[in-house]
Amino acid sequence: DGGITQSPKYLFRKEGQNVTLSCEQNLNHDAMYWYRQDPGQGLRLIYYSQIVNDFQKGDIAEGYSVSREKKESFPLTVTSAQKNPTAFYLCASSISGAIQPQHFGDGTRLSIL
Amino acid sequence: ELKVEQNPLFLSMQEGKNYTIYCNYSTTSDRLYWYRQDPGKSLESLFVLLSNGAVKQEGRLMASLDTKARLSTLHITAAVHDLSATYFCAVDMNNNQGGKLIFGQGTELSVKP
Repeated sequence: DGGITQSPKYLFRKEGQNVTLSCEQNLNHDAMYWYRQDPGQGLRLIYYSQIVNDFQKGDIAEGYSVSREKKESFPLTVTSAQKNPTAFYLCASSISGAIQPQHFGDGTRLSIL
Repeated sequence: ELKVEQNPLFLSMQEGKNYTIYCNYSTTSDRLYWYRQDPGKSLESLFVLLSNGAVKQEGRLMASLDTKARLSTLHITAAVHDLSATYFCAVDMNNNQGGKLIFGQGTELSVKP
C-alpha cells in the first residue's frame, strides 16, 4: 500500500543533542513537508521541498535542518539550537501543483530527557 | 501574512444536534482544505474546496466556501459520538501553485450522548 512512513514514533532528545526524524513516501509525490504541532494548536510549517535537491524554509525553520537527496525521503534534523523541541512532528507529501490534499504520516512525538 | 482563524476552538455538543465551525482567512485564496485529527493521530483529509460557492458533503458533514467573504464553514448535522475529533481548516497560500498550507488553530469537537 502506498503511504508515508515516519520513524521513530517516539523520540527522546538529550540536552545538546541533534536528532533526526525520518520520513519516507512511496506515493511518487514531488512535494514533501514538515510540520510541528504543539498541544492545542494548529500545524506550523517548518520546511518544504517541491523537488529533489531543493527545499525552502517555512514559518518556524530556526533550529531545524532538512535534506532532499531522494524523491522518496525528506529527513528532518532537530538541532541543539532548537531550545523547545518537544512537540508532535508530522510529515506530509503531495503532487506538486495539484489540487489533491496533502497526505500525512502518523507523526513522531519528540520529548526532551 | 496569511492568517487563518477558526471558531469556536472548543465545541461540546449533544448527540443529534447541529452546529457549524467557521474558518476565516485573511488574504485571497480559492483553495481550502478541511482535515480531521483523532487524538495522537495523523490528519485525515475530509474536503477540498476549490472555488467560490463550492459545497461538499460527506455523511453528516458539509463544507462550503465563500471566497469573497474569505470564509469557509463546516456544518455538522445530527452529531454522533464518532464525530468527536479535532477539525482543521487549511488555506493554500500559493494559490493554484500548490505547496504551502496555513492551518487554523483547530476546533476540538466533543459529542456527548
